[in-house]
Amino acid sequence: DAKTTQPNSMESNEEEPVHLPCNHSTISGTDYIHWYRQLPSQGPEYVIHGLTSNVNNRMASLAIAEDRKSSTLILHRATLRDAAVYYCILRDVIEHTGNQFYFGTGTSLTVIP
Amino acid sequence: EAGVTQSPTHLIKTRGQQATLRCSPISGHTSVYWYQQALGLGLQFLLWYDEGEERNRGNFPPRFSGRQFPNYSSELNVNALELEDSALYLCASSPTGWSTEAFFGQGTRLTVV
Repeated sequence: DAKTTQPNSMESNEEEPVHLPCNHSTISGTDYIHWYRQLPSQGPEYVIHGLTSNVNNRMASLAIAEDRKSSTLILHRATLRDAAVYYCILRDVIEHTGNQFYFGTGTSLTVIP
Repeated sequence: EAGVTQSPTHLIKTRGQQATLRCSPISGHTSVYWYQQALGLGLQFLLWYDEGEERNRGNFPPRFSGRQFPNYSSELNVNALELEDSALYLCASSPTGWSTEAFFGQGTRLTVV
């Protein structure tokens, strides 16, 4: 499985934008980029996913580099509720592997009031 | 709509015993996934069930097993418990194995003493 590299931790001030980077230099053409987050004492929750084009939803935006070797999750206005561990995951839809995501250690985001 | 429910919330067992963890997926979801999250480690994929069959398993010994029932609920069994099996066990479900989003439960905290 292709691997991802994320910073261990990041800090952001409340109500400011947050850019969470992810490197995936060995990504294949059929790998989707998924982001999940895990709030304290909870199971992970889906944030966003994309293949090639930038994506937006109510939670966040996903910016994907033109060569797809990196991506950035953008939280437009961080709130205290956004403090969580954010996981960047690659999923190869061609391998029919279902949702058996391979989570790394993720980025622990601290939001400062 | 009810989310993924897991029981029990907490479980304390003695080394060598067996533990049974249960998961009820979201209504209509046929795929169930099990993950282990040990302290200080990321989420490790354990098992994937779809339509009542085991589709794939992660790199865990055979004493980790499970099944999926006709109503798509699932059990995870851990035999011959070892101290290092102490972890948060998370269950996730998705409408099918192809679905892009997985929904996680709150987890069962297993402590082996």
